[in-house]
Amino acid sequence: GAVVSQHPSRVICKSGTSVKIECRSLDFQATTMFWYRQFPKQSLMLMATSNEGSKATYEQGVEKDKFLINHASLTLSTLTVTSAHPEDSSFYICSAGLGGSVLETQYFGPGTRLLVL
Amino acid sequence: AQSVAQPEDQVNVAEGNPLTVKCTYSVSGNPYLFWYVQYPNRGLQFLLKYITGDNLVKGSYGFEAEFNKSQTSFHLKKPSALVSDSALYFCAVRDSFASGGSYIPTFGRGTSLIVHP
Repeated sequence: GAVVSQHPSRVICKSGTSVKIECRSLDFQATTMFWYRQFPKQSLMLMATSNEGSKATYEQGVEKDKFLINHASLTLSTLTVTSAHPEDSSFYICSAGLGGSVLETQYFGPGTRLLVL
Repeated sequence: AQSVAQPEDQVNVAEGNPLTVKCTYSVSGNPYLFWYVQYPNRGLQFLLKYITGDNLVKGSYGFEAEFNKSQTSFHLKKPSALVSDSALYFCAVRDSFASGGSYIPTFGRGTSLIVHP
């Protein structure tokens, strides 16, 4: 149980285009999903916390107009990288919380590798 | 405030030997501690967590971790390493809800485990 999927797994796009990444909890409902960015050989950088039915909470330094997050249902959150540039190239990982907020364990998706040319 | 440290960038061990990946933490209240493993180009997989109870926590794939409150540590261990255990390991901590801490865990920078045949 507690499976999280991401789509696509890999995307290559031209500079200036927008890219949408989907994160789905397959066998449970997740009121909260998280979006991370990971640079090579570095830890996870939390970008934003996505709550179903409300606006996402962005971490300091993350441009909300650049990284649009929508959490339309209890099983789906999307991250749209708008007007992507080469510096946006990275590994993006989502996670979904299972359980109440006190004992929450995060289950991670397999990640999406974005390459902007 | 909560923080976590993984003092080793890389751990090398021979197959069949015991392994230890170190993690120390700092929280205001009681810690909730997690270990995750990441294989190349994949998301993180949950290994185990400590919330309360026995200090020795057993998790997936034969891994276990020992919570040591006096040393504020949560080292990951396995009695006999396998080559397939080679991966990136992340420790995470969050402060207990009762202490008013954030429910979002803080991740360490990761430790690369290399198991030699």
